[in-house]
Amino acid sequence: DAGVIQSPRHEVTEMGQEVTLRCKPISGHDYLFWYRQTMMRGLELLIYFNNNVPIDDSGMPEDRFSAKMPNASFSTLKIQPSEPRDSAVYFCASSLAGSGNTIYFGEGSWLTVV
Amino acid sequence: RKEVEQDPGPFNVPEGATVAFNCTYSNSASQSFFWYRQDCRKEPKLLMSVYSSGNEDGRFTAQLNRASQYISLLIRDSKLSDSATYLCSTGGADGLTFGKGTHLIIQP
Repeated sequence: DAGVIQSPRHEVTEMGQEVTLRCKPISGHDYLFWYRQTMMRGLELLIYFNNNVPIDDSGMPEDRFSAKMPNASFSTLKIQPSEPRDSAVYFCASSLAGSGNTIYFGEGSWLTVV
Repeated sequence: RKEVEQDPGPFNVPEGATVAFNCTYSNSASQSFFWYRQDCRKEPKLLMSVYSSGNEDGRFTAQLNRASQYISLLIRDSKLSDSATYLCSTGGADGLTFGKGTHLIIQP
């Protein structure tokens, strides 16, 4: 069975450029989460969606970050403009209501902003 | 603010030994509790759920103490392949809060 699929796996970009990260959740899952992981702060929840609707974006660090989920099988996380401090691993994860709140992660998008 | 605290380690343990980690959580409304395992440069993967009654999966035993708000993980007869970072997490349908992880190194 296909898990959560993320792209790109790795991205190196220059400061000021726009970055778009993509995610396909596990088919049938109705919750989608975007996390960011750094050595200093660990795993942080940025935003989550339920049935394609953004529910809580209180973890989004700044207005430079935005996320969308136009349909049940696709979500994007956009950073515009990017800054070096945005360098991190961005994980997308999904879960199914009623399954005990277990979430399943994609392999992550490794972002470096220089 | 929801927090999950773990000893970062590293725990250096000889192969075959028993090792235990704890974590504490601040959100008393948490409904679900998990241990995830994360290998270097990989995504976190579910190791096991944690229940108040305690649960066991092979060499792994997890325990939840709601009154004291801590979660434990016990690994018996440790293997070299158990070397990883173990993340404690709590939460509900609105997502999970993770600790920063405990780094375990099993030495031959």
